Amino acid sequence: EDQVTQSPEALRLQEGESSSLNCSYTVSGLRGLFWYRQDPGKGPEFLFTLYSAGEEKEKERLKATLTKKESFLHITAPKPEDSATYLCAVQAIEVQGAQKLVFGQGTRLTINP
Amino acid sequence: KAGVTQTPRYLIKTRGQQVTLSCSPISGHRSVSWYQQTPGQGLQFLFEYFSETQRNKGNFPGRFSGRQFSNSRSEMNVSTLELGDSALYLCASRTFGSYEQYFGPGTRLTVT
Repeated sequence: EDQVTQSPEALRLQEGESSSLNCSYTVSGLRGLFWYRQDPGKGPEFLFTLYSAGEEKEKERLKATLTKKESFLHITAPKPEDSATYLCAVQAIEVQGAQKLVFGQGTRLTINP
Repeated sequence: KAGVTQTPRYLIKTRGQQVTLSCSPISGHRSVSWYQQTPGQGLQFLFEYFSETQRNKGNFPGRFSGRQFSNSRSEMNVSTLELGDSALYLCASRTFGSYEQYFGPGTRLTVT
């Protein structure tokens, strides 16, 4: 069964204090790994897609990396507006191009000014 | 380009009733997926539709059903509501061939 585990569950940082969020996964044939950001009361906002081990993507203060077993979301010099829940999801190979994302429980990130 | 829209945004229903939620995908997106989000279970896949056909289904009882119209808009129906159906129901759309899904704001369903 496809499974995604995110750690830590919650992380509190000071503004400017860099850190990393972890997403470990087991999937029978990875089609893609996705990072989303979710603010309270809103739908997830797409951040990155990673397709193969060694791939990296960057966007402002965020950088996502992928290995064969896990992905990291690195946050450099975060600001209070980066506070949100960060979700990781995997897409396994499905027949006929169908899609079914399996999500982790998320990491709730708080950046204190 | 307008994002995914969902209506209504909030809904309160009584146990045993049924409910229909609506989703309009991003223009040009022909695939629509539905997810249920609860504090205990997180985000769980319900089903995906493309070209009015269900392409994939999650592990939910038959009380949960959906459909897609020729304009790609989708509806989700839950019959015989239970207290445990209280959740945020999220709709996401993508272009077929791409795996990047874009989510709407969700419908908050409360069952009393």
